[in-house]
Amino acid sequence: DAKTTQPPSMDCAEGRAANLPCNHSTISGNEYVYWYRQIHSQGPQYIIHGLKNNETNEMASLIITEDRKSSTLILPHATLRDTAVYYCIVRLSQTGANNLFFGTGTRLTVIP
Amino acid sequence: GAVVSQHPSWVICKSGTSVKIECRSLDFQATTMFWYRQFPKQSLMLMATSNEGSKATYEQGVEKDKFLINHASLTLSTLTVTSAHPEDSSFYICSARDGGRPGHNEQFFGPGTRLTVL
Repeated sequence: DAKTTQPPSMDCAEGRAANLPCNHSTISGNEYVYWYRQIHSQGPQYIIHGLKNNETNEMASLIITEDRKSSTLILPHATLRDTAVYYCIVRLSQTGANNLFFGTGTRLTVIP
Repeated sequence: GAVVSQHPSWVICKSGTSVKIECRSLDFQATTMFWYRQFPKQSLMLMATSNEGSKATYEQGVEKDKFLINHASLTLSTLTVTSAHPEDSSFYICSARDGGRPGHNEQFFGPGTRLTVL
C-alpha cells in the first residue's frame, strides 16, 4: 500500500469548512483513497473513499487531484463533534487486500 | 447498518490472568475480522487478520500463543490475551469487512476495549 503524508494537526472554527490534505505521491493506478476518523477513546469511523472522481456523502467530500498524488477531505460545516484524528489511507480495494495501515493522521480540533 | 460491537468495553485484571475480548458484527456477515492495538497517543497497529473457519494470520512481532484468536462464526471473533502483563495494557480494537458486499472493502470498527493489567 502507498504511503501517505498528513499534517500532524489542524484547527478549524466551528461552522467553517475543514479542509484536510493528504499527499500520496506513490499511489498506484488501482489503489483507492480512504478516509477514517477516530474520536478520542473510540474505534475508527469510516468516512469516505474514492479512486479518481470526487466523491460526496452525508459526512464529507473527497477531492482527488487529477494526477491522484494528493487529496483533500472536506467537512463542509465543522462542529465540535468533528474533533478527532483523521486518517488518510491508500489501499487496494479488492478481496484479499484488506489490511488498513494507519499512519499518524491529522488531529483536527474544532474551536468554538 | 454495518455495526460492530465489542465486549467488554473495558476490563481491569491482575497480572498473569487471561482476558477474552469479543468482537461481533451485528447486522452483516464478516468473513474477515481484524484485531488492532493502540497504545496511548499512538496510531493503530494491526495485530492479526482473522478469517472465519481458519487460523489467524499474525503480524510480525505479535506472539500467536499469547494473543489467541478464534473466528468460529461469521459474526464473532474473539481475542484472548493469555497471561496478561502490565505491558499488555492497551486499547484493543476489532474491525470487520462485510463479505456480502463485493467491491466494497470498507472496514467497520468496533468501539474498542480498554485493557488495564495491574
